[in-house]
Amino acid sequence: DTEVTQTPKHLVMGMTNKKSLKCEQHMGHRAMYWYKQKAKKPPELMFVYSYEKLSINESVPSRFSPECPNSSLLNLHLHALQPEDSALYLCASSQVVPTRTDTQYFGPGTRLTVL
Amino acid sequence: GENVEQHPSTLSVQEGDSAVIKCTYSDSASNYFPWYKQELGKGPQLIIDIRSNVGEKKDQRIAVTLNKTAKHFSLHITETQPEDSAVYFCAARPPFLNAGGTSYGKLTFGQGTILTVHP
Repeated sequence: DTEVTQTPKHLVMGMTNKKSLKCEQHMGHRAMYWYKQKAKKPPELMFVYSYEKLSINESVPSRFSPECPNSSLLNLHLHALQPEDSALYLCASSQVVPTRTDTQYFGPGTRLTVL
Repeated sequence: GENVEQHPSTLSVQEGDSAVIKCTYSDSASNYFPWYKQELGKGPQLIIDIRSNVGEKKDQRIAVTLNKTAKHFSLHITETQPEDSAVYFCAARPPFLNAGGTSYGKLTFGQGTILTVHP
């Protein structure tokens, strides 16, 4: 099973709202990723968690706050977003094996619209 | 950092024809090259990948070739079908990096190719 699930599928929020995106995988992967994808563009890396610890923050604004409660779950908390933050938010996971290459598996994404 | 260029940006073929998408990368240390297919409203799906110790890999109608010397790799789809219509992304990744005591692999994506297969 190579499934990564994400909820919700669609989310509409105002600029003053607080919402959260959720991601789950049961492949035993210990690396999890958040990507942002604008229309007709490739995914852009936002955050990387490795062994439930934040490893990489690609200079993402603080209105995006990631959280990894356990090895299967990844959340992205959203607060005071801007209309330009509207995009498809993708979660991915992979093995963390320093001596070998890995494969990243993506979820279906959450389509976020900020009004 | 790594830079990946992908061509063409759009590709239109007739059903049954072959389609070829090409990518070049800049970091000679990159050793892993996946290809993703993304259908409308869905997340990217891995369709094939190749590692730097292999020159070619095939999976049914899909094949990928890698030329490490020239730093380019290509996706070949034979006997195309309408359901092959999607956006295809190539990616490259150097060996795992250490960051704060942990390791991860950062993928750098090409800009994507919109493939349309006409019945």
